[in-house]
Amino acid sequence: DAGVTQSPTHLIKTRGQQVTLRCSPKSGHDTVSWYQQALGQGPQFIFQYYEEEERQRGNFPDRFSGHQFPNYSSELNVNALLLGDSALYLCASSLGVLSGRSYEQYFGPGTRLTVT
Amino acid sequence: AQSVTQLGSHVSVSEGALVLLRCNYSSSVPPYLFWYVQYPNQGLQLLLKYTSAATLVKGINGFEAEFKKSETSFHLTKPSAHMSDAAEYFCAVSKAAGNKLTFGGGTRVLVKP
Repeated sequence: DAGVTQSPTHLIKTRGQQVTLRCSPKSGHDTVSWYQQALGQGPQFIFQYYEEEERQRGNFPDRFSGHQFPNYSSELNVNALLLGDSALYLCASSLGVLSGRSYEQYFGPGTRLTVT
Repeated sequence: AQSVTQLGSHVSVSEGALVLLRCNYSSSVPPYLFWYVQYPNQGLQLLLKYTSAATLVKGINGFEAEFKKSETSFHLTKPSAHMSDAAEYFCAVSKAAGNKLTFGGGTRVLVKP
């Protein structure tokens, strides 16, 4: 049973550029959440997608956007990159709210983004 | 708004000694509480969760945590540390099933031989 997968593993971008990160959820999961983990800190919630719509959003600017596809995979897009966007970006998947088990979020290995 | 405070950003224990990691939360509603572990250059792995059932929760790798509503705490313990327990541990809270997780700042555990 494949767990949550993310690509790429590492990425180096320049300030002002745009980046797209990808996530495939655990088999059977339909909800995807994205988190940003700066060095030495706990993860911070960016947003969550369910049924191809953004359901919840954390305190992140509009430069951060996302998408969920019909196969439940998801993308995180960040425009106009800043040095402060350098972080580990974690994707987590879970079952939908109606399943009764949606509190269990399973995390992928993350994408390490470095902005220079 | 919910928040999580983990006391001690670093904890050093001897192999075989008790591991105690402290977590206090604030929440306006009965919370769901979680402990995750993160090994170097990896994602987060769920250790255990509290979802309003038994207050003493047992997890993987010999860890357990006790929910104390009066103290708004959810401390993580393991009776005997192993070298493989060296990692960073995060406490998290959620106010509802399917809701976002709010994490504490993490506690890095060092295990001395």
